[in-house]
Amino acid sequence: QQPVQSPQAVILREGEDAVINCSSSKALYSVHWYRQKHGEAPVFLMILLKGGEQKGHEKISASFNEKKQQSSLYLTASQLSYSGTYFCGIDSDSWGKLQFGAGTQVVVTP
Amino acid sequence: GAVVSQHPSWVICKSGTSVKIECRSLDFQATTMFWYRQFPKQSLMLMATSNEGSKATYEQGVEKDKFLINHASLTLSTLTVTSAHPEDSSFYICSARRESGNTIYFGEGSWLTVV
Repeated sequence: QQPVQSPQAVILREGEDAVINCSSSKALYSVHWYRQKHGEAPVFLMILLKGGEQKGHEKISASFNEKKQQSSLYLTASQLSYSGTYFCGIDSDSWGKLQFGAGTQVVVTP
Repeated sequence: GAVVSQHPSWVICKSGTSVKIECRSLDFQATTMFWYRQFPKQSLMLMATSNEGSKATYEQGVEKDKFLINHASLTLSTLTVTSAHPEDSSFYICSARRESGNTIYFGEGSWLTVV
């Protein structure tokens, strides 16, 4: 079953922050975040494993709340290059089979 | 560099013909690979799990006779779209997980256009 992502879209000015949420009705082994630009393959951002960890990559970080079965991606001090569609993929059984959310379109304007 | 490679990156074929897309893990062995399809402005939808040396496992609603998957070696899985029709036009992408870790690597994707 697909995880639920919110919001569907967000428009930011350069330097602003945003949060993208991903929630699942199933217990999760891991959550994977990707960014996809138009016409390109998804690019891996980070993976969070169960255990409630938080991770970061430059000014993009994420948290994983195993109990609540949800993850959040934080875009801090957004840059123009952050524009794209962000997908969360959930892995329920550790085999690597991901079910993706519908995506969140992020547009960062100058 | 890429750790999972897909070929071709794009293909145009005539309606009724078959098209094969390859997915290779470049520097690791992958007993399991996954095939996804993405229609414009939509999410990636899992089609099937490709298992080395055995039959693929298809998701509900995916026709196994139309989308033939072969995983003959530990580094190669192929997806063949048989008797392709315009509605099969889509972005097809594969992924593989390193046995030693949790990161899932995606190929570059293949654009299929059926005319």
